[in-house]
Amino acid sequence: QVQLQESGPGLVKPSETLSLTCAVSGYSISSGYYWGWIRQPPGKGLEWIGRIYHSGSTYYNPSLKSRVTISVDTSKKQFSLNLRSVTAADTAVYFCARERESAYALWGQGILVTVSS
Amino acid sequence: QSALTQPASESGSPGQPITISCTGTSSDVGGYNYVSWYQQHPGKAPKLMIYDVSNRPSGVSNRFSGSKSGNTASLTISGLQAEDEADYYCSSYTSSNTVVFGGGTKLTVL
Repeated sequence: QVQLQESGPGLVKPSETLSLTCAVSGYSISSGYYWGWIRQPPGKGLEWIGRIYHSGSTYYNPSLKSRVTISVDTSKKQFSLNLRSVTAADTAVYFCARERESAYALWGQGILVTVSS
Repeated sequence: QSALTQPASESGSPGQPITISCTGTSSDVGGYNYVSWYQQHPGKAPKLMIYDVSNRPSGVSNRFSGSKSGNTASLTISGLQAEDEADYYCSSYTSSNTVVFGGGTKLTVL
C-alpha cells in the first residue's frame, strides 16, 4: 500500500524558509509519476505549488516560482519543498501528493504550517 | 495563472441531481482533456473523484460523472446523498505544464 507522509516544522518565522519533506512508502519514486505539493490556507481553496519528476525535472506555480524549490531524494524515498521568505500569507495546510496526468489520486494527510513570530 | 472559476456554493435535496461547473480558458480546461475533480470533507485530504474529464477511479460511486464543453467542465452527482455534502474542487493541466485548481464549491445537501 502506497502512503505519503509530510513532516516538518509547524511554525516558521516571517522571512525565513519553510522546509517540508514527504516520505513515500510502498512505492519507489524512481519508478515514475510526478510528485507534487499543494497547499490550502485555513478556510480557503487549494493552490498548486509545483511538481517534480523522479529525474529531477520541476514545474512551479508562476506566482510562487521565485521562492520555491522542490527536490527529490530517491535513495531516501522522499521529496521536499522549500519556500523562501515566507509571510503570514503562506500559512496553510501543505499536502504532498502523487500525480498522474495532472490528477492527484494519492495524498498525504497534510501538515499545518503557521508563519508567525 | 488564474484559478478556474467555480460557483462558491450549490445545494440540492437528497435524491436530486446536481451539477457543478468549472470554467477556464483555452489554455487549460478547453485545451486539454486533463480535468480532474476532488471531494474534500472538513479536516481531510482531497479525494480524487474524476480524472481525464470523465473517468472515475476505482471505488468511486457511479453517481459521479464528468464532462466538458469548450472551456467549461462539469461534475454531475446523480441522486444526492447526505455523505456527498463536502467541498468540491476542479483542476486542469495548463499550457505552461502546470496545474491550476478552481476556487472550490461548497455543496450542501438540504
